[in-house]
Amino acid sequence: GAGVSQSPRYKVAKRGQDVALRCDPISGHVSLFWYQQALGQGPEFLTYFQNEAQLDKSGLPSDRFFAERPEGSVSTLKIQRTQQEDSAVYLCASSFVTGAEGYTFGSGTRLTVV
Amino acid sequence: AQTVTQSQPEMSVQEAETVTLSCTYDTSESDYYLFWYKQPPSRQMILVIRQEAYKQQNATENRFSVNFQKAAKSFSLKISDSQLGDAAMYFCASPQGAQKLVFGQGTRLTINP
Repeated sequence: GAGVSQSPRYKVAKRGQDVALRCDPISGHVSLFWYQQALGQGPEFLTYFQNEAQLDKSGLPSDRFFAERPEGSVSTLKIQRTQQEDSAVYLCASSFVTGAEGYTFGSGTRLTVV
Repeated sequence: AQTVTQSQPEMSVQEAETVTLSCTYDTSESDYYLFWYKQPPSRQMILVIRQEAYKQQNATENRFSVNFQKAAKSFSLKISDSQLGDAAMYFCASPQGAQKLVFGQGTRLTINP
């Protein structure tokens, strides 16, 4: 596609509910990243894929967070048993292998846990 | 841990004037790129400009330019002839490891007509 597409754009979840956030990267982009952006803050790294391999998940805040990219294209970030502190914008970005040209970001999913 | 510091939470400038946004970073990488991203209310992070650390020459993209001081680990963004559409959050980012970026806290830029 022409850009990185994320869905849904907004998600309201009741505390304890599971959510799944989708990212459709630019076609041909090998690398895919998830970032979490709290209100008024800069994005913080969550996890990184190269094709279907999850090479770095050091930023995932707890074992309630899980990401996958089974066929090396679309990725899903899943949050189980959501808590209020999970409320944030979740940004997805993709790049060619090295990322030297910069990453292309999607418009994010704003998650609000009530 | 590697850090990126943007010391100006907010900046404002008159339309058509010039403004400079500051950024300092800390990285252990020897060869790296630095980035400035713009985030309007639509939330999408838009790449404004990038700098290759091994290049002496400061990067320029139309009205946007950087002042890159490698020894001081400083990477400021200059916006010339500011336009209303430049109003946004601006984030500086530097690499940590081979791929992931570390972002600063951001500077909110307001353009006064």
